[in-house]
Amino acid sequence: AIQMTQFPSSLSASVGDRVTITCRASQDIRIDLGWYQQKPGKAPKLLIFAASSLQGGVPSRFSGSGSGTDFTLTISSLQPEDSAVYYCLQDHSYPCTFGQGTKLEIK
Amino acid sequence: QVHLQESGPGLVKPSETLSLTCSVSGGSISDSTRDYYWTWIRHHPEKGLEWIGHVHHRGITNYNPSLKSRVTISVDTPRRQFSLRLTSLTAADTAVYYCARGYCVTTDCPLDFWGQGTLVTVSS
Repeated sequence: AIQMTQFPSSLSASVGDRVTITCRASQDIRIDLGWYQQKPGKAPKLLIFAASSLQGGVPSRFSGSGSGTDFTLTISSLQPEDSAVYYCLQDHSYPCTFGQGTKLEIK
Repeated sequence: QVHLQESGPGLVKPSETLSLTCSVSGGSISDSTRDYYWTWIRHHPEKGLEWIGHVHHRGITNYNPSLKSRVTISVDTPRRQFSLRLTSLTAADTAVYYCARGYCVTTDCPLDFWGQGTLVTVSS
């Protein structure tokens, strides 16, 4: 199975900050990667698909980049409602695998 | 707007079989022009998200090898439902179970709609 290493595991940032979360795949997954946001007691929500495409209805402060093995999720100007756990998910090959998650806290 | 809703028991005894159903409304469960993968994921309290497997609306399945031969996912197109069956349960199967729709865009099939999740506890 492809291993997805996500870091940092947690971070704390202030409103207005630029935040970057990284996922590294154990082998080439092209652009078959999505980013998800999960808030307590809720299902994950799709933010980014195909590594860099913004899902409809998602604020433009979220962006994704990367291909092959290295991917990043960037929040350009952090908002209070962005407090959540963020996961990457590769679906290049089975089994699909998630990163371990990044817990984002607002200072 | 597509809506998914899980249903099934919240408490199951060890060694028994879990059966969950996901009902789909607000959209097609099978579309000859699109590839949908009806997916089950679970969230362990301390271990993060785990992809269990999926079924294509034509019945093709893929499963996580970590669950070996314990898992079966099936689709009932007329009822607009798909189901998860997990046998030989242990406490390690205690988790929140989500159903979701995978919708293929080029080679990527992101999970664009999710159910609210259902907590399954394995305990005697």
